[in-house]
Amino acid sequence: DQQVKQNSPSLSVQEGRISILNCDYTNSMFDYFLWYKKYPAEGPTFLISISSIKDKNEDGRFTVFLNKSAKHLSLHIVPSQPGDSAVYFCAAVWGSARQLTFGSGTQLTVLP
Amino acid sequence: NAGVTQTPKFQVLKTGQSMTLQCAQDMNHEYMSWYRQDPGMGLRLIHYSVGAGITDQGEVPNGYNVSRSTTEDFPLRLLSAAPSQTSVYFCASSYSQVNTEAFFGQGTRLTVV
Repeated sequence: DQQVKQNSPSLSVQEGRISILNCDYTNSMFDYFLWYKKYPAEGPTFLISISSIKDKNEDGRFTVFLNKSAKHLSLHIVPSQPGDSAVYFCAAVWGSARQLTFGSGTQLTVLP
Repeated sequence: NAGVTQTPKFQVLKTGQSMTLQCAQDMNHEYMSWYRQDPGMGLRLIHYSVGAGITDQGEVPNGYNVSRSTTEDFPLRLLSAAPSQTSVYFCASSYSQVNTEAFFGQGTRLTVV
């Protein structure tokens, strides 16, 4: 059973509009969450993170929101740009070894 | 800095062959991990290490061995390759402090025929 779920395999957004990517989790032991972006034939690259003690973290065009009671987090990209087209993975951290559990990813396509 | 370097980038194996995927990092990170990425399943943890001489199993460890003799290197060994091990493999490293991001290599695409 997947502990981190990204239920939308794909999302298309017009350039300049907002992209909202969603992620749900089931394990209450997760205490830190990250979003990674991945281009084809490359490794994932870190985008933004949030601690479980916060409900929002912002970095430029990227904002992550965490709703602990709903076990839900979302990534907002405003404004979306064609270069943002990539697969976005949500990941959750737990344990003293800080293991990552990943969602299955969402392919974002930003249309010019 | 090179970051996390994986070799080879591509590999084709026959069923039953063994091989080692190499991973090296130059950031003096204590934590290193191996993941595999399969279509529709995200990245799954194979093995991880919290420091030289210390390794442990992740979610999908069967068919793989690891060792960590130095801080820099964390090789992944396929003992007897099977078609089910066809995947893209990623190595990652991170600082040991709580709440830092992991840095990933570019991946090794492995096909077992």
